[in-house]
Amino acid sequence: AQSVTQLGSHVSVSEGALVLLRCNYSSSVPPYLFWYVQYPNQGLQLLLKYTTGATLVKGINGFEAEFKKSETSFHLTKPSAHMSDAAEYFCAVSKGSGNEKLTFGTGTRLTIIP
Amino acid sequence: DAGVTQSPTHLIKTRGQHVTLRCSPISGHKSVSWYQQVLGQGPQFIFQYYEKEERGRGNFPDRFSARQFPNYSSELNVNALLLGDSALYLCASSITGNYGYTFGSGTRLTVV
Repeated sequence: AQSVTQLGSHVSVSEGALVLLRCNYSSSVPPYLFWYVQYPNQGLQLLLKYTTGATLVKGINGFEAEFKKSETSFHLTKPSAHMSDAAEYFCAVSKGSGNEKLTFGTGTRLTIIP
Repeated sequence: DAGVTQSPTHLIKTRGQHVTLRCSPISGHKSVSWYQQVLGQGPQFIFQYYEKEERGRGNFPDRFSARQFPNYSSELNVNALLLGDSALYLCASSITGNYGYTFGSGTRLTVV
């Protein structure tokens, strides 16, 4: 079975500060990892994904994440927070065949302090 | 190109009733998945269909069923609604070899 754990259900950072959202995964096979963002009353938008190859993945809106197999982590970062980054962020894992179900974490609500 | 479209956007039903939710995938996407997101939680997998065949089912009771049509659109049906079925129901589509699911905006179901 696969699972993800998101450490910190709520994270607050000041505008312009570093954003770090943590995600650890458990998988019996090489995982495919994803970060999604959800704005209020909306669906999920894909920020970035790791499948194979380069372990540092760049996504939209200035976000990036690094796959660290030794730490079973896939933390999401952004160098400088913007007010528009305030949202719910979900880490997800799949087995990676391309059409496998996603298993989501419980989410991290990011608040940006002006 | 249009994204994943879901209808209706909001729905209020009474306990014991039946509901049908609809999803149109992105053009060319042959796989459709359904997820339930209860308020304050991450989405939970319900079903996956690929080329009109069920490829996966999550831990949901038999009251939940789905199907995929020849044009790859999909319906999620829920019978004998319970208060606990109140949630945001998300549809996602993907194509083989493109490891990333595109989600629709969801249908907000409220059971009273």
